[in-house]
Amino acid sequence: DTGVSQNPRHKITKRGQNVTFRCDPISEHNRLYWYRQTLGQGPEFLTYFQNEAQLEKSRLLSDRFSAERPKGSFSTLEIQRTEQGDSAMYLCASSPGLAGGRATQYFGPGTRLLVL
Amino acid sequence: AQSVTQLDSQVPVFEEAPVELRCNYSSSVSVYLFWYVQYPNQGLQLLLKYLSGSTLVKGINGFEAEFNKSQTSFHLRKPSVHISDTAEYFCAVSDRNQGGKLIFGQGTELSVKP
Repeated sequence: DTGVSQNPRHKITKRGQNVTFRCDPISEHNRLYWYRQTLGQGPEFLTYFQNEAQLEKSRLLSDRFSAERPKGSFSTLEIQRTEQGDSAMYLCASSPGLAGGRATQYFGPGTRLLVL
Repeated sequence: AQSVTQLDSQVPVFEEAPVELRCNYSSSVSVYLFWYVQYPNQGLQLLLKYLSGSTLVKGINGFEAEFNKSQTSFHLRKPSVHISDTAEYFCAVSDRNQGGKLIFGQGTELSVKP
């Protein structure tokens, strides 16, 4: 069990550019979650997948954000036309299921985005 | 809608002293409760969780928490803290009827001084 991994760990981009982040969940975890954390705040839910199906998107996820999990394994989060307000830590988590102990989410190290 | 309130944004404490980090949640349904710890520039590490059963749960690094349904609280405690416990602590709640997404509190910064 290698844990949840995220790449890149850090990304600096200029306003207006597109960026893509990748998350590799723990093997055989069928639920994958994305959160955003701004400085001094708790993480906020963005979206989640069960296998390859995206089941919920937060109102925080504007039209410039898109997430995919094409084969039910890794996931990507893309931000188009980045804005300075997108600067944050983007966290990915996975869990084996929904009920009981299977609902426990394990987090990756995060991708810190800075938009100049 | 669910919400989580961490009553203290910062808690300074001396090494080897006891500490309690307070967490209250609002929910009308059965929930799962979690405490996570975050060290600078890192992701979140699970400290402990309450799913069902005994209301006193023990976690890693000597931490424990007590679920109090009547007061909708899930306070985190440690009888004797170490310098290495200095970090940000987050309380979170999830509702299995809402896909299991976590709702987090604002965090409590624990600062352990020698």
